[in-house]
Amino acid sequence: DTGVSQDPRHKITKRGQNVTFRCDPISEHNRLYWYRQTLGQGPEFLTYFQNEAQLEKSRLLSDRFSAERPKGSFSTLEIQRTEQGDSAMYLCASSRPDLGHYEQYFGPGTRLTVT
Amino acid sequence: SQQGEEDPQALSIQEGENATMNCSYKTSINNLQWYRQNSGRGLVHLILIRSNEREKHSGRLRVTLDTSKKSSSLLITASRAADTASYFCATGATGANNLFFGTGTRLTVIP
Repeated sequence: DTGVSQDPRHKITKRGQNVTFRCDPISEHNRLYWYRQTLGQGPEFLTYFQNEAQLEKSRLLSDRFSAERPKGSFSTLEIQRTEQGDSAMYLCASSRPDLGHYEQYFGPGTRLTVT
Repeated sequence: SQQGEEDPQALSIQEGENATMNCSYKTSINNLQWYRQNSGRGLVHLILIRSNEREKHSGRLRVTLDTSKKSSSLLITASRAADTASYFCATGATGANNLFFGTGTRLTVIP
């Protein structure tokens, strides 16, 4: 399967703990996005990378959130000192807009529950 | 905040009927895309229409775009139970690099 993969699929953590999620995009896709989705809502943009460069961050991405894409391949999203309000589905997507392909391919998501 | 809104929020139809969902958005766009999401899963890209296009077809899907009204519609013909899912429109706004999603339409197709 050459689609976008995310790990873990589910994470339950206690408030105040740190969590890290991983995303492996489609291999030839140079752009990678992170979105957050809460119940009953559409995905909301968090940040995106062009290769290894993080080019844009949403206001939703507080200073407790950090994302990396060290070699321009996989990416990690870390949340420090988790809060109950961080409970959501975290979605990763990738695309190749440089080829005129603006559609994004999404992974299955990581569902985070903060207790 | 969400860029767009889908209407209706929920739609229930019998198998074989057509389903129409509408999307309104706020800013100028390069393209508008429709995605499907099955419960608790990731999103699947369905179709993309560019701002200079007015209508596009893909299999049982038909999308229209009216940039003067900042609206789009998705028509699913001859619906199947497997079409049961949430459908989201997403806009690629001019000058933006990410997608702005609407709030979604929950479609239920009754066998």
